[in-house]
Amino acid sequence: DQQVKQNSPSLSVQEGRISILNCDYTNSMFDYFLWYKKYPAEGPTFLISISSIKDKNEDGRFTVFLNKSAKHLSLHIVPSQPGDSAVYFCAASGRTGNQFYFGTGTSLTVIP
Amino acid sequence: DAGVIQSPRHEVTEMGQEVTLRCKPISGHNSLFWYRQTMMRGLELLIYFNNNVPIDDSGMPEDRFSAKMPNASFSTLKIQPSEPRDSAVYFCASSPGLGRSFGSGTRLTVV
Repeated sequence: DQQVKQNSPSLSVQEGRISILNCDYTNSMFDYFLWYKKYPAEGPTFLISISSIKDKNEDGRFTVFLNKSAKHLSLHIVPSQPGDSAVYFCAASGRTGNQFYFGTGTSLTVIP
Repeated sequence: DAGVIQSPRHEVTEMGQEVTLRCKPISGHNSLFWYRQTMMRGLELLIYFNNNVPIDDSGMPEDRFSAKMPNASFSTLKIQPSEPRDSAVYFCASSPGLGRSFGSGTRLTVV
């Protein structure tokens, strides 16, 4: 059973606009969340993370929001660029970080 | 640093054949993970090693799958015999703690 869910398999956004990728989780014991970005024929690469003690973490154009009561996190990309076109995976783990649970991914296409 | 190195990049094999995937983790990383990516389940953890010792293999789908880590710089994932439903991209990742550094993956096709 998927403990981390990304319900939108794909998303298309115009260049310059905001991209919002969503992720839901079921386990309230998760306390560390990450987003990975994956280009075709490459492995996933770390993008941004957030600890459960925060509700927002920002890194340049990328911001991750965490709503613990709703067990929901989202990744905002502003402004979106064509180079952001990739598959984005959400992941969650407990304190030890040994077991990451990944979502099924959302394929983002940024249209020039 | 060359990153996590996986080989081969692509493997096409016939059903029933043995397949061996290889991984060289980043030097100094004490944890190594094998993942399988499918459309339906995303990135699934198959097994992970800590200091070369298998810690959790509950994600290994069947006895046909086995993994070894004979030393800190090498790991293998073997499927014997392979079946068409094993077709997927298999990723190896290593980590010094939190986070993961992924290899480029092996795309396995079993016909």
